[in-house]
Amino acid sequence: GEDVEQSLFLSVREGDSSVINCTYTDSSSTYLYWYKQEPGAGLQLLTYIFSNMDMKQDQRLTVLLNKKDKHLSLRIADTQTGDSAIYFCAESIFGAGGATNKLIFGTGTLLAVQP
Amino acid sequence: DGGITQSPKYLFRKEGQNVTLSCEQNLNHDAMYWYRQDPGQGLRLIYYSQIVNDFQKGDIAEGYSVSREKKESFPLTVTSAQKNPTAFYLCASERTGGIYEQYFGPGTRLTVT
Repeated sequence: GEDVEQSLFLSVREGDSSVINCTYTDSSSTYLYWYKQEPGAGLQLLTYIFSNMDMKQDQRLTVLLNKKDKHLSLRIADTQTGDSAIYFCAESIFGAGGATNKLIFGTGTLLAVQP
Repeated sequence: DGGITQSPKYLFRKEGQNVTLSCEQNLNHDAMYWYRQDPGQGLRLIYYSQIVNDFQKGDIAEGYSVSREKKESFPLTVTSAQKNPTAFYLCASERTGGIYEQYFGPGTRLTVT
């Protein structure tokens, strides 16, 4: 079945790197996403990676994808206190005809950045 | 500025009452989605719509209803049949074709007592 798993909590010191991990189950997923949610707010799309890529870098963010192990990670370099939030990974499941992109979300990882 | 708006941000209702949550987008996106978020859980899909006048049930549609009369609007009604309606509700929209990216509104926190 469809399932996306994440660890619930990660604590790092300001200036360190953070690595948030995610495992997914559907090998047919075309896109894999990372979203950020600040307290009481909606989700903000941080980045995404196509399933035919191994790595994507975007400023302080690096996404690594291991398709064999169905493992996705998000590395945040030089983590700041403003990075404290919940981070969700999500895999895409396309509906019939590929017209609808249904996202399956993980439970979210709460990142706490200590000053 | 383009974006998605949800209103109100906080909503309080008595048990047994229906309540409608608003979602509007001016991004000219075809697809719209409603999710429910409970503490410590990921988002779960309630309903989605690819085009005007068409919508499909998601994973937890029981006790909810939607309409899509306009491209810009996708209101969600939480009916009295929904057993645990207290939650954070998030609306999203998506441009279909090309790179699929869902953009989320700020959410509505519904409390039913």
